[in-house]
Amino acid sequence: DVKVTQSSRYLVKRTGEKVFLECVQDMDHENMFWYRQDPGLGLRLIYFSYDVKMKEKGDIPEGYSVSREKKERFSLILESASTNQTSMYLCASTQMDRPSSGNTIYFGEGSWLTVV
Amino acid sequence: QQQVKQSPQSLIVQKGGISIINCAYENTAFDYFPWYQQFPGKGPALLIAIRPDVSEKKEGRFTISFNKSAKQFSLHIMDSQPGDSATYFCAAKIGETSGSRLTFGEGTQLTVNP
Repeated sequence: DVKVTQSSRYLVKRTGEKVFLECVQDMDHENMFWYRQDPGLGLRLIYFSYDVKMKEKGDIPEGYSVSREKKERFSLILESASTNQTSMYLCASTQMDRPSSGNTIYFGEGSWLTVV
Repeated sequence: QQQVKQSPQSLIVQKGGISIINCAYENTAFDYFPWYQQFPGKGPALLIAIRPDVSEKKEGRFTISFNKSAKQFSLHIMDSQPGDSATYFCAAKIGETSGSRLTFGEGTQLTVNP
């Protein structure tokens, strides 16, 4: 059974703290993503990665960075957390592009972050 | 800029009724349109998807209707059940393969009353 695991489900951090959100997938997927989910805004892409040590900015990268040192692990980093980063963060993964193969994206269960 | 707009934001339906969620997109380069279902405390999961070369796709009680000229697509849930209560997201991307990025709608919270 495919699995994307987000180790921290609920976190409360103080403004200015450095925050790490960890994501691990066990499907040997090449592509990994971090999304942010907010009511009324849907899911917005923060960063994604097609390969180890490779990263690309999504639609809302400001205030975030990422790290992918191993294929199975993709970390989201908030260098200095702010209250407007209070949100639910979703990690996802898919296989490498294959023509006409309609790859499914698999999501983790989410990490609820509150910044006070 | 929201490239995929979804409505309504919330929807209440009686058991056995039809639930309809609508999405409109702007980018004519989009050519893959999936719908995701998310239960509380869980991540979204793929429900059904369509490409624009067909006008309708049906899987069980779930149907996507696609109108390319209007740049709209919708999800119909027939014989809605309380177990269908969830948040539904439409999405779009360029290309069916995973390399291109999904653009999501705002989400619809569906409640099916018993």
